[in-house]
Amino acid sequence: NAGVTQTPKFQVLKTGQSMTLQCAQDMNHEYMSWYRQDPGMGLRLIHYSVGAGITDQGEVPNGYNVSRSTTEDFPLRLLSAAPSQTSVYFCASSYSTANEKLFFGSGTQLSVL
Amino acid sequence: GENVEQHPSTLSVQEGDSAVIKCTYSDSASNYFPWYKQELGKRPQLIIDIRSNVGEKKDQRIAVTLNKTAKHFSLHITETQPEDSAVYFCAASKGFQKLVFGTGTRLLVSP
Repeated sequence: NAGVTQTPKFQVLKTGQSMTLQCAQDMNHEYMSWYRQDPGMGLRLIHYSVGAGITDQGEVPNGYNVSRSTTEDFPLRLLSAAPSQTSVYFCASSYSTANEKLFFGSGTQLSVL
Repeated sequence: GENVEQHPSTLSVQEGDSAVIKCTYSDSASNYFPWYKQELGKRPQLIIDIRSNVGEKKDQRIAVTLNKTAKHFSLHITETQPEDSAVYFCAASKGFQKLVFGTGTRLLVSP
C-alpha cells in the first residue's frame, strides 16, 4: 500500500490563480480530511469527508472547496489564491472516523505571491 | 467549538531526563485525545492516544494521563533520547468527525 499520496510537494502561485491539491489513499478509508499547518498555530482543519459524496466544513474553510466523488480521492481546490493561504497542507485519512489513527500524507508546501 | 491549548511551546531537556507536555481542552464532551509527533520536514504520526473512559495509558517510555474534571491531559516521556527531538501535537475530539489540534511543542533533547 502507498498509504496517503499528496501531489504536488511544492507549488508557487500568484495571487488570484487557482489550483487543486491532490490527495489519494489506497487503504479503503472512509474518513478523509485536509489540514493546514502554520507556524505557531498547529494543524487547523479545513474540510473533511466521512464518505463518498459527503463533505463538511472544518475550522478554516473559507477560500477552499472540496469534493469526494470516490472513496480514494479527496482534492482540495483554491479558486482564487491569496497570500494568506501560504501554508503547508496535509491530507489525512482514517478507517471510519476522526477518533482513530490518522494517516497523513507527506504534505504540500504552497506559497502565494 | 472545541479549543485546545498546549504548553510549553518549546521544551529543552538533557538526554535521560523526563519531559512533560500539557494540554487543556474546552469542551467537557470531548472523548478522544491523541498525541502526534512530527519530525522536521516529515508528516505527523500518531504516538499514543487515550479515550475518556481511561485515566492513564503507557507505551514503553511514553505515557498519557487524562484528568476529565480539570479538562487537561499530559504527555510524559521518560529517559529522553536525541531521537525524541520533534514537534509534539495534542488533539481532542468530541464526536467522530472533527479533531482539533493544539499549537504544538518543540522538544529538543540535548546529548
